[in-house]
Amino acid sequence: SQQGEEDPQALSIQEGENATMNCSYKTSINNLQWYRQNSGRGLVHLILIRSNEREKHSGRLRVTLDTSKKSSSLLITASRAADTASYFCATDAGGNEKLTFGTGTRLTIIP
Amino acid sequence: GAVVSQHPSRVICKSGTSVKIECRSLDFQATTMFWYRQFPKQSLMLMATSNEGSKATYEQGVEKDKFLINHASLTLSTLTVTSAHPEDSSFYICSARPIRDSTKETQYFGPGTRLLVL
Repeated sequence: SQQGEEDPQALSIQEGENATMNCSYKTSINNLQWYRQNSGRGLVHLILIRSNEREKHSGRLRVTLDTSKKSSSLLITASRAADTASYFCATDAGGNEKLTFGTGTRLTIIP
Repeated sequence: GAVVSQHPSRVICKSGTSVKIECRSLDFQATTMFWYRQFPKQSLMLMATSNEGSKATYEQGVEKDKFLINHASLTLSTLTVTSAHPEDSSFYICSARPIRDSTKETQYFGPGTRLLVL
């Protein structure tokens, strides 16, 4: 399987703390994307980082990419209860336009 | 902008019946749409890539005769689960790639359809 892996599988933190999720993948990529999914809902695109980028910010989100280690991390700073959701990384290897999703991290923010 | 809808949002059917799920891009045109399946607490698995006006490309292990995909227009793709069985119960999510996205990096996801086969 080409599916990436994320760790931790589940994470519970207190509101206000920072949350870090990691994603590892197996093939060369064109870009890596992070998505959020609330329970039973569709996916919301959070951020995209290209293979020639190492770090990207968007609001309280910070994404890093290490292509030599085939890994990425998503940091959510100053977490809020509304951040409770599952977070998935997805890789785009280019060419065939397909996204391959990681296994996901279930994040719970405790008020 | 860039809204994708799915209909129905949830459906319960008897084993052996067929179920059609619609995926529409509401405010943009999409030559390519993707269909995913997600089992509880698991990740999304790509089932097939749907291209307007041509046959869908199915992922390995996905039965094309069981999961019929039609992409008849630039704003609509349908997935029909034929002769559904309880093991087909899942959350089906579509996504659409805008024609205007020259980088081909963007997919907009629908809200999903929950299928329960009794």
